[in-house]
Amino acid sequence: DVKVTQSSRYLVKRTGEKVFLECVQDMDHENMFWYRQDPGLGLRLIYFSYDVKMKEKGDIPEGYSVSREKKERFSLILESASTNQTSMYLCASTATADNTDTQYFGPGTRLTVL
Amino acid sequence: GQNIDQPTEMTATEGAIVQINCTYQTSGFNGLFWYQQHAGEAPTFLSYNVLDGLEEKGRFSSFLSRSKGYSYLLLKELQMKDSASYLCAVLDSNYQLIWGAGTKLIIKP
Repeated sequence: DVKVTQSSRYLVKRTGEKVFLECVQDMDHENMFWYRQDPGLGLRLIYFSYDVKMKEKGDIPEGYSVSREKKERFSLILESASTNQTSMYLCASTATADNTDTQYFGPGTRLTVL
Repeated sequence: GQNIDQPTEMTATEGAIVQINCTYQTSGFNGLFWYQQHAGEAPTFLSYNVLDGLEEKGRFSSFLSRSKGYSYLLLKELQMKDSASYLCAVLDSNYQLIWGAGTKLIIKP
């Protein structure tokens, strides 16, 4: 059974803290994604990666960075958390480079920045 | 700009049929996905349409008309467990996914 896991389900941080969100997939997928999901808005792509050490900006990369040192692991970093980064963060992976395959999602991390 | 429109919320009765519409304006088209997302959980794949027509999978069917920029998800014999949000997403000309805001479906007994 395919699996995408995220390091935390719930996280509370203070403004200015550095935050690490980790995502691990066990399907040997090349492609991994970080989204944020806010009420009334669609999933918004923050960053994605098509290979180890490779990263591409999505639609809303400001305030975020990523790291992909190993194929199975994709980390999202908030260098200095702000209250407008309070959101649900979803990691996903997919087998095909053209995204025509199913995206498999992790359970999500609900981040609150105080 | 690119845009996906879905109703924000719909209500239906257990055992009935409901149709959730999705219209899109995107730069190119390489397929349309439907995902189901229960509250507090991750989205899960329901269907992928790239050609016009209706595809049926058990109680769920998905329809696509590329010329009209329109799709719908049809749920039959509704069950309480179908209460969830349904997300429409379009693959654009760059093979990037554009997501709708989702439709929250409430099922009443």
